[in-house]
Amino acid sequence: DIQMTQSPSSLSASVGDRVTITCRASQSITTYLNWYQQKPGKAPKLLVHAASSLQSGVPSRFSGSGSGTDFTLTISSLQPEDFATYYCQQSYSTPYTFGQGTKLEIK
Amino acid sequence: QLQLQESGPGLVKPSETLSLTCTVSGGSISSSGYYWGWIRQPPGEGLGWIGTIYFSGSTSYNPSLKSRVTISVDTSKNQFSLKLTSVTAADTAVYYCARQGGSYDYYAMDVWGQGTTVTVSS
Repeated sequence: DIQMTQSPSSLSASVGDRVTITCRASQSITTYLNWYQQKPGKAPKLLVHAASSLQSGVPSRFSGSGSGTDFTLTISSLQPEDFATYYCQQSYSTPYTFGQGTKLEIK
Repeated sequence: QLQLQESGPGLVKPSETLSLTCTVSGGSISSSGYYWGWIRQPPGEGLGWIGTIYFSGSTSYNPSLKSRVTISVDTSKNQFSLKLTSVTAADTAVYYCARQGGSYDYYAMDVWGQGTTVTVSS
Protein backbone atom coordinates (compact mmCIF):
# COMPACT_ATOMS: atom_id res chain seq x y z
CA ASP A 1 0.00 0.00 0.00
CA ILE A 2 1.08 3.58 -0.63
CA GLN A 3 1.48 5.45 2.65
CA MET A 4 0.40 9.10 2.81
CA THR A 5 1.91 11.31 5.50
CA GLN A 6 0.57 14.77 6.23
CA SER A 7 2.26 17.52 8.19
CA PRO A 8 1.54 19.09 10.48
CA SER A 9 -1.10 16.97 12.21
CA SER A 10 -2.58 20.11 13.70
CA LEU A 11 -2.17 23.79 13.08
CA SER A 12 -3.36 26.95 14.82
CA ALA A 13 -3.83 30.02 12.66
CA SER A 14 -5.73 33.28 12.51
CA VAL A 15 -8.26 34.64 10.04
CA GLY A 16 -6.35 36.17 7.17
CA ASP A 17 -3.27 33.97 7.58
CA ARG A 18 -1.68 32.07 4.73
CA VAL A 19 -1.51 28.37 5.55
CA THR A 20 0.27 25.47 3.87
CA ILE A 21 -0.34 21.78 4.53
CA THR A 22 2.08 19.18 3.22
CA CYS A 23 1.41 15.63 2.06
CA ARG A 24 4.10 13.10 1.19
CA ALA A 25 3.58 9.77 -0.58
CA SER A 26 5.73 6.71 0.10
CA GLN A 27 6.30 6.32 -3.66
CA SER A 28 5.65 8.38 -6.76
CA ILE A 29 1.96 8.92 -7.47
CA THR A 30 2.57 11.43 -10.31
CA THR A 31 -0.37 13.84 -9.83
CA TYR A 32 -2.98 11.36 -8.58
CA LEU A 33 -3.46 13.37 -5.40
CA ASN A 34 -6.72 14.76 -4.06
CA TRP A 35 -7.49 17.07 -1.14
CA TYR A 36 -10.65 16.98 0.99
CA GLN A 37 -12.03 19.23 3.71
CA GLN A 38 -14.07 17.75 6.54
CA LYS A 39 -16.02 19.65 9.15
CA PRO A 40 -17.21 17.99 12.38
CA GLY A 41 -20.14 15.66 11.83
CA LYS A 42 -20.08 16.21 8.07
CA ALA A 43 -18.93 14.24 5.06
CA PRO A 44 -15.64 15.13 3.39
CA LYS A 45 -15.79 17.66 0.57
CA LEU A 46 -13.51 17.46 -2.46
CA LEU A 47 -11.41 20.62 -2.83
CA VAL A 48 -8.66 19.74 -5.28
CA HIS A 49 -8.14 16.81 -7.63
CA ALA A 50 -5.19 15.86 -9.80
CA ALA A 51 -2.90 17.71 -7.36
CA SER A 52 -3.75 21.19 -8.58
CA SER A 53 -7.21 21.27 -10.20
CA LEU A 54 -9.68 23.22 -8.09
CA GLN A 55 -13.07 21.58 -7.84
CA SER A 56 -15.97 23.60 -9.21
CA GLY A 57 -17.37 25.98 -6.59
CA VAL A 58 -14.30 25.90 -4.33
CA PRO A 59 -12.99 29.39 -3.49
CA SER A 60 -9.86 30.48 -5.31
CA ARG A 61 -8.02 31.05 -2.01
CA PHE A 62 -7.45 27.28 -2.05
CA SER A 63 -4.69 25.94 -4.27
CA GLY A 64 -2.81 22.69 -4.65
CA SER A 65 0.60 21.90 -6.07
CA GLY A 66 3.15 19.16 -6.38
CA SER A 67 3.92 15.96 -8.24
CA GLY A 68 5.72 12.72 -7.62
CA THR A 69 5.85 12.30 -3.85
CA ASP A 70 5.49 15.82 -2.41
CA PHE A 71 2.34 17.91 -2.44
CA THR A 72 0.96 21.01 -0.77
CA LEU A 73 -2.43 22.54 -0.12
CA THR A 74 -2.33 26.30 0.43
CA ILE A 75 -5.05 28.58 1.73
CA SER A 76 -4.01 32.09 0.82
CA SER A 77 -6.13 33.99 3.34
CA LEU A 78 -7.93 31.96 5.98
CA GLN A 79 -11.64 32.57 6.42
CA PRO A 80 -13.69 31.52 9.46
CA GLU A 81 -15.37 28.74 7.48
CA ASP A 82 -11.98 27.17 6.62
CA PHE A 83 -11.34 25.84 10.11
CA ALA A 84 -11.72 22.11 9.57
CA THR A 85 -9.70 18.93 9.06
CA TYR A 86 -7.98 18.42 5.73
CA TYR A 87 -7.06 15.07 4.18
CA CYS A 88 -4.94 14.18 1.21
CA GLN A 89 -5.68 10.99 -0.72
CA GLN A 90 -3.78 9.13 -3.40
CA SER A 91 -5.78 7.67 -6.28
CA TYR A 92 -2.77 6.31 -8.18
CA SER A 93 -3.33 2.72 -7.17
CA THR A 94 -5.64 0.66 -5.04
CA PRO A 95 -6.06 0.47 -2.16
CA TYR A 96 -6.64 4.21 -2.29
CA THR A 97 -5.16 5.67 0.89
CA PHE A 98 -5.62 8.87 2.87
CA GLY A 99 -3.27 10.90 4.97
CA GLN A 100 -3.96 10.99 8.70
CA GLY A 101 -5.46 14.46 8.47
CA THR A 102 -4.46 18.00 9.46
CA LYS A 103 -6.73 19.75 11.93
CA LEU A 104 -6.77 23.48 11.33
CA GLU A 105 -7.82 25.38 14.44
CA ILE A 106 -8.43 29.00 15.28
CA LYS A 107 -5.57 30.69 17.15
CA GLN B 1 -28.14 17.71 -8.34
CA LEU B 2 -26.72 14.30 -7.60
CA GLN B 3 -27.32 13.08 -4.06
CA LEU B 4 -26.30 9.92 -2.24
CA GLN B 5 -28.01 8.56 0.88
CA GLU B 6 -26.81 5.68 3.04
CA SER B 7 -29.27 3.46 4.88
CA GLY B 8 -29.10 0.41 7.09
CA PRO B 9 -28.97 -0.75 10.71
CA GLY B 10 -27.10 1.44 13.15
CA LEU B 11 -26.31 -1.45 15.47
CA VAL B 12 -24.82 -4.80 14.51
CA LYS B 13 -23.83 -7.64 16.82
CA PRO B 14 -20.28 -9.01 16.81
CA SER B 15 -19.72 -11.84 14.31
CA GLU B 16 -22.79 -10.80 12.29
CA THR B 17 -22.97 -9.11 8.89
CA LEU B 18 -23.12 -5.36 8.38
CA SER B 19 -25.35 -4.42 5.44
CA LEU B 20 -25.70 -0.90 4.05
CA THR B 21 -27.33 0.51 0.94
CA CYS B 22 -26.56 3.75 -0.89
CA THR B 23 -29.39 5.25 -2.91
CA VAL B 24 -28.41 7.57 -5.75
CA SER B 25 -30.82 10.33 -6.74
CA GLY B 26 -30.63 13.15 -9.26
CA GLY B 27 -28.60 11.03 -11.65
CA SER B 28 -28.06 7.52 -12.93
CA ILE B 29 -25.78 4.98 -11.32
CA SER B 30 -25.23 3.66 -14.84
CA SER B 31 -23.53 6.86 -15.98
CA SER B 32 -20.46 5.97 -17.95
CA GLY B 33 -17.15 6.87 -16.42
CA TYR B 34 -18.17 6.92 -12.78
CA TYR B 35 -17.51 4.46 -10.01
CA TRP B 36 -19.34 4.09 -6.71
CA GLY B 37 -17.51 3.53 -3.47
CA TRP B 38 -17.61 3.00 0.25
CA ILE B 39 -15.35 4.74 2.77
CA ARG B 40 -15.40 4.50 6.55
CA GLN B 41 -14.18 6.57 9.46
CA PRO B 42 -13.79 5.06 12.95
CA PRO B 43 -14.61 7.43 15.83
CA GLY B 44 -11.96 10.12 16.13
CA GLU B 45 -9.88 8.62 13.33
CA GLY B 46 -9.15 9.21 9.66
CA LEU B 47 -10.71 7.95 6.46
CA GLY B 48 -10.34 4.44 5.10
CA TRP B 49 -11.24 3.25 1.61
CA ILE B 50 -13.29 0.05 1.56
CA GLY B 51 -13.91 -0.53 -2.13
CA THR B 52 -15.63 0.56 -5.33
CA ILE B 53 -17.95 -0.84 -7.98
CA TYR B 54 -18.76 0.09 -11.57
CA PHE B 55 -22.31 -0.20 -12.85
CA SER B 56 -21.26 -3.25 -14.84
CA GLY B 57 -20.53 -5.00 -11.55
CA SER B 58 -16.75 -4.80 -11.70
CA THR B 59 -15.33 -4.34 -8.19
CA SER B 60 -12.15 -3.36 -6.41
CA TYR B 61 -11.65 -4.00 -2.70
CA ASN B 62 -9.17 -3.02 -0.02
CA PRO B 63 -7.05 -6.15 0.53
CA SER B 64 -7.23 -5.60 4.28
CA LEU B 65 -11.00 -6.26 4.11
CA LYS B 66 -11.26 -8.30 0.93
CA SER B 67 -12.11 -11.60 2.59
CA ARG B 68 -15.09 -10.01 4.37
CA VAL B 69 -16.40 -7.42 1.91
CA THR B 70 -18.89 -7.60 -0.92
CA ILE B 71 -20.07 -4.55 -2.86
CA SER B 72 -22.95 -5.01 -5.30
CA VAL B 73 -25.04 -2.79 -7.56
CA ASP B 74 -28.73 -2.75 -8.48
CA THR B 75 -29.11 -0.50 -11.49
CA SER B 76 -32.89 -0.94 -11.56
CA LYS B 77 -33.12 0.68 -8.12
CA ASN B 78 -30.21 3.10 -8.65
CA GLN B 79 -28.54 1.65 -5.57
CA PHE B 80 -25.33 -0.01 -4.54
CA SER B 81 -24.71 -1.96 -1.38
CA LEU B 82 -22.03 -2.99 1.10
CA LYS B 83 -21.85 -6.22 3.04
CA LEU B 84 -19.18 -6.77 5.66
CA THR B 85 -19.15 -10.14 7.37
CA SER B 86 -17.87 -11.28 10.76
CA VAL B 87 -17.81 -7.79 12.21
CA THR B 88 -15.99 -6.83 15.39
CA ALA B 89 -15.81 -3.67 17.45
CA ALA B 90 -13.03 -2.49 15.12
CA ASP B 91 -15.66 -2.12 12.38
CA THR B 92 -17.52 0.53 14.37
CA ALA B 93 -17.39 3.64 12.20
CA VAL B 94 -19.24 6.20 10.17
CA TYR B 95 -19.75 4.66 6.74
CA TYR B 96 -19.89 6.92 3.70
CA CYS B 97 -20.86 6.15 0.13
CA ALA B 98 -19.40 8.32 -2.60
CA ARG B 99 -19.23 8.80 -6.34
CA GLN B 100 -15.75 8.39 -7.74
CA GLY B 101 -14.72 9.86 -11.05
CA GLY B 102 -12.90 7.87 -13.67
CA SER B 103 -9.42 8.31 -15.06
CA TYR B 104 -10.21 11.74 -16.53
CA ASP B 105 -11.13 12.91 -13.04
CA TYR B 106 -8.15 11.18 -11.44
CA TYR B 107 -10.54 8.90 -9.56
CA ALA B 108 -11.40 11.62 -7.06
CA MET B 109 -14.53 11.23 -4.89
CA ASP B 110 -16.61 14.25 -5.75
CA VAL B 111 -20.05 13.52 -4.29
CA TRP B 112 -20.55 12.00 -0.85
CA GLY B 113 -23.47 10.79 1.18
CA GLN B 114 -23.99 12.28 4.63
CA GLY B 115 -22.69 9.13 6.32
CA THR B 116 -24.30 6.62 8.62
CA THR B 117 -22.98 5.50 11.99
CA VAL B 118 -22.67 1.77 12.55
CA THR B 119 -21.86 0.47 16.00
CA VAL B 120 -20.79 -3.13 16.57
CA SER B 121 -21.88 -4.20 20.02
CA SER B 122 -23.80 -6.98 21.69
